[in-house]
Amino acid sequence: AQKITQTQPGMFVQEKEAVTLDCTYDTSDQSYGLFWYKQPSSGEMIFLIYQGSYDEQNATEGRYSLNFQKARKSANLVISASQLGDSAMYFCAALYNFNKFYFGSGTKLNVKP
Amino acid sequence: DVKVTQSSRYLVKRTGEKVFLECVQDMDHENMFWYRQDPGLGLRLIYFSYDVKMKEKGDIPEGYSVSREKKERFSLILESASTNQTSMYLCASSPNPGRGANYGYTFGSGTRLTVV
Repeated sequence: AQKITQTQPGMFVQEKEAVTLDCTYDTSDQSYGLFWYKQPSSGEMIFLIYQGSYDEQNATEGRYSLNFQKARKSANLVISASQLGDSAMYFCAALYNFNKFYFGSGTKLNVKP
Repeated sequence: DVKVTQSSRYLVKRTGEKVFLECVQDMDHENMFWYRQDPGLGLRLIYFSYDVKMKEKGDIPEGYSVSREKKERFSLILESASTNQTSMYLCASSPNPGRGANYGYTFGSGTRLTVV
């Protein structure tokens, strides 16, 4: 079964420090996409970053980067220089069949001042 | 600004009521989805649609139905609401492949449904 695993239900990080949120996926497909979404307390899901399975370089978007290790089937999100506004739920997701996403259970990140 | 709009932010309904959750997208996306989100369970797919008048069951379709009469609108229907359907409901849409390498979802802001 296709599965996304986020093993950290909750995490704390000090403001201005970097933090890594873990994500592993399970697929035998060769072509797939990996995504991270942020969900603040207001509830909306905000797209952060995307990595294609054939992309050779790790994706970066501002303070977000995706540490893609294909052999390990991991797609960890790295947030550099954490800000108070980064406190939110973070979901890892994988797109295996072009149109259907599988989501992890989420990691709640708390940034301490 | 393109977006997915869900008609209600908060909703309270009584057990046994028929409930309609509406979702509209203005991005001309082919694909639309309904998820429910519960603490510790992440997002679980209820139903999805690849085209007008087309629907497919997701992982937890029991107790729900959907309607897609127009491309931009995807409705989730709770035929007879029950307390275990109290949850956050998220609608999303996505384009077909070939319309950009990043064909991820765009989400609505969610509907918090409470069934009493």
